[in-house]
Amino acid sequence: DIQMTQSPSSLSASVGDRVTITCQASQDISDYLNWYQQKPGKAPKLLIHDASNLETGVPSRFSGVGSGTDFTFTISSLQPEDFATYYCLQYDNLPLTFGQGTRLEIK
Amino acid sequence: QVQLVESGGGVVQPGKSLRLSCAASGFTFGTHGMHWVRQAPGKGLEWLAVISYDGSNEYCADSVKGRFTISRDNSRNTLYLQMNSLRPEDTAVYFCAKKTSGNYAMDVWGQGTTVIVSS
Repeated sequence: DIQMTQSPSSLSASVGDRVTITCQASQDISDYLNWYQQKPGKAPKLLIHDASNLETGVPSRFSGVGSGTDFTFTISSLQPEDFATYYCLQYDNLPLTFGQGTRLEIK
Repeated sequence: QVQLVESGGGVVQPGKSLRLSCAASGFTFGTHGMHWVRQAPGKGLEWLAVISYDGSNEYCADSVKGRFTISRDNSRNTLYLQMNSLRPEDTAVYFCAKKTSGNYAMDVWGQGTTVIVSS
């Protein structure tokens, strides 16, 4: 199974800050990686697909880069509605595997 | 728009069975694979199973293989998860999700249904 190591596990930041989350795969997954946002009590929402492609309707302050084993997700200027938990997902191979999640909290 | 609505969750004793359903609308259900994913209280997301658009292929995570079965009824636009021999560690919110065309990922998720395994 492919292991996804996501960091940090939690992060405190302020509105307007730039934040970065990373995911590292245990083997080459090309660009078969998505990023999801989950708010408490809600379903995950797809933000970035294929490592760097913004899902339709998602604000441009969200971005993703990477290929192979190392991936980065960035929010360029935090908005109040962005405080949530973020997960990466590899879909290169079954079983699909998620990163452990990053809880983004208000400082 | 695409909508997925899970049902069938509840409180069940260890060792018992439960069947979850996921009613789909807003897209051509019979042309898309589907997933089940769960989330234990306070924990991350765990992928459980995927089924092909026509039900001819399915794959389950090792953690539930032999106990959980994914299936679908395209005439009813409904996805199922049959859960047998339930354990306390199966307590979680269970989400169904639509498989993205062309790859194994998921794009749209339901709101989830809660399963509590407790005596």
